[in-house]
Amino acid sequence: DAGVIQSPRHEVTEMGQEVTLRCKPISGHNSLFWYRQTMMRGLELLIYFNNNVPIDDSGMPEDRFSAKMPNASFSTLKIQPSEPRDSAVYFCASSPTELTDTQYFGPGTRLTVL
Amino acid sequence: AQKVTQAQTEISVVEKEDVTLDCVYETRDTTYYLFWYKQPPSGELVFLIRRNSFDEQNEISGRYSWNFQKSTSSFNFTITASQVVDSAVYFCALSEYSRDDKIIFGKGTRLHILP
Repeated sequence: DAGVIQSPRHEVTEMGQEVTLRCKPISGHNSLFWYRQTMMRGLELLIYFNNNVPIDDSGMPEDRFSAKMPNASFSTLKIQPSEPRDSAVYFCASSPTELTDTQYFGPGTRLTVL
Repeated sequence: AQKVTQAQTEISVVEKEDVTLDCVYETRDTTYYLFWYKQPPSGELVFLIRRNSFDEQNEISGRYSWNFQKSTSSFNFTITASQVVDSAVYFCALSEYSRDDKIIFGKGTRLHILP
């Protein structure tokens, strides 16, 4: 079975540009999570979907960040406009049921904003 | 509020030694789940174990074992006869059944296994 798929794996962009990160969860999983990992703040949950519905977006740092899950097999995390402090590794994870279930992580997208 | 503390930021041991990674948590809920994840140098996060708050039995999986003690709010992870491939950052995490709180990850412990 394919694991969680993220694209792109690396993204380098200039400040002010729009960035879109993509995620395909494991087929049959009902929950999807977006995380950000930085040296300073560690691993932070940004937003969590259950059955394509956003359940908790309180971790989204500010209005420049938005996430969508139009169907069970696809999600996007968009940053507009991007800033250098958004540079981080962004992970997508999915789980069979909900927040308390085991999460399976994608390989991550390393974002660098110049 | 939830909190996960991994007091050891970095540990180095010589190959074949045993090593224990500490995890202490705080929660108000009686029903909660604890996790350990491994992040090798390649960067991906790999699930190791999930344990619910009602199951205090220790778990052993090969060279890995976990000691869950509710009395001390700890969920420690031991690697026996460590190997160089065990070098990674290990994260402990907590999620509560109530859904009012998020899953919280500890800051991680970077483990170096020296040949």
